[in-house]
Amino acid sequence: GENVEQHPSTLSVQEGDSAVIKCTYSDSASNYFPWYKQELGKGPQLIIDIRSNVGEKKDQRIAVTLNKTAKHFSLHITETQPEDSAVYFCADYTGTASKLTFGTGTRLQVTL
Amino acid sequence: DAGVIQSPRHEVTEMGQEVTLRCKPISGHNSLFWYRQTMMRGLELLIYFNNNVPIDDSGMPEDRFSAKMPNASFSTLKIQPSEPRDSAVYFCASSTRTGAPDSPLHFGNGTRLTVT
Repeated sequence: GENVEQHPSTLSVQEGDSAVIKCTYSDSASNYFPWYKQELGKGPQLIIDIRSNVGEKKDQRIAVTLNKTAKHFSLHITETQPEDSAVYFCADYTGTASKLTFGTGTRLQVTL
Repeated sequence: DAGVIQSPRHEVTEMGQEVTLRCKPISGHNSLFWYRQTMMRGLELLIYFNNNVPIDDSGMPEDRFSAKMPNASFSTLKIQPSEPRDSAVYFCASSTRTGAPDSPLHFGNGTRLTVT
């Protein structure tokens, strides 16, 4: 896609609470929206993704929602645990550009 | 599966020196990507290859940067001459296709470059 905005840049929650990270994209041709998790000293790793023909997808404690009309998508983490602490990146993909565009990242800190 | 292997993990060099970063993609993956990560700019795509051919190098910041992929199992990113503003973490990633659905990017653990 052309541009992906991600908010917030930092997020601190208590263990057991929920965390929500939001992204907005601008390219109406974007059709695939993955989320990556980056732990300290490592490269980003795909944790969940959603395609443009689906509104919501869930995998255990994480879920992603997509609103195509508003061009935004969100990552939801429930019952957060200390090991969820990491930097999370959203991204979008368009077939025309054939590449992912990443958001600026959200540093999630889960405190005890 | 050993994953994407990058070397070195850390590189410290003086301004003006040549720097070469190395990457071995996952066997069988035919797309390879070089990203740069900084606090200010986040993850920036520098260049990507498909079947060893550079497809899009529009993210390469200057002529000081060059990348090669001589075969399916090896790629290099070279900076010559290096400058302090090149200090960043450089990631290599590979996938079966160009990050498309059903073809996630697999990242290496990065090379942290410091140019003094």
